[in-house]
Amino acid sequence: AQSVTQLGSHVSVSEGALVLLRCNYSSSVPPYLFWYVQYPNQGLQLLLKYTSAATLVKGINGFEAEFKKSETSFHLTKPSAHMSDAAEYFCAVFGNQFYFGTGTSLTVIP
Amino acid sequence: EAGVAQSPRYKIIEKRQSVAFWCNPISGHATLYWYQQILGQGPKLLIQFQNNGVVDDSQLPKDRFSAERLKGVDSTLKIQPAKLEDSAVYLCASSSRLAGGTDTQYFGPGTRLTVL
Repeated sequence: AQSVTQLGSHVSVSEGALVLLRCNYSSSVPPYLFWYVQYPNQGLQLLLKYTSAATLVKGINGFEAEFKKSETSFHLTKPSAHMSDAAEYFCAVFGNQFYFGTGTSLTVIP
Repeated sequence: EAGVAQSPRYKIIEKRQSVAFWCNPISGHATLYWYQQILGQGPKLLIQFQNNGVVDDSQLPKDRFSAERLKGVDSTLKIQPAKLEDSAVYLCASSSRLAGGTDTQYFGPGTRLTVL
């Protein structure tokens, strides 16, 4: 069975500050892990994905995530937040089916 | 390249009524997914098609939900009869790979259903 847990349903950061969104996964098989972003009234857009290649994955819009097997984590980071990063972020795991976390709402304070 | 299209964008119905949602995936994408996203939650997979065959419908409430993908292109998701707890956004996604789930899923804008 697979699942993901996103710690913190709401995160606020100042513009220019580090963004850190947390995701822990559970999987009985080697996982494929994803981060998606959802803007209001829009569908989900893929930010990045881990498919057992490099553990540090770079995505779009300056985001990256590091797969840490020992911590069963796949946290999303961005060095400097921009106002346009305000959105809902979802972590997802694929083992035999896609399972999404409950999401983290990111607010960027000017 | 055109994205995943869904219609309608919004739908309001009364409980016990029927409703249908339509999805047109990206051209050439073999795999199509329907998700239910309840407010404050992540998307939950309802059904996955590969071409016109069902790959996974284990989380589809089959007593009231049905879906089809005739000719392996467009898909329709139906709810009959609707319940209050069906109020959610219904997302359609498609991907190009035939097997496995590591290929990128492209999502449509969703249909927001409100059941009164």
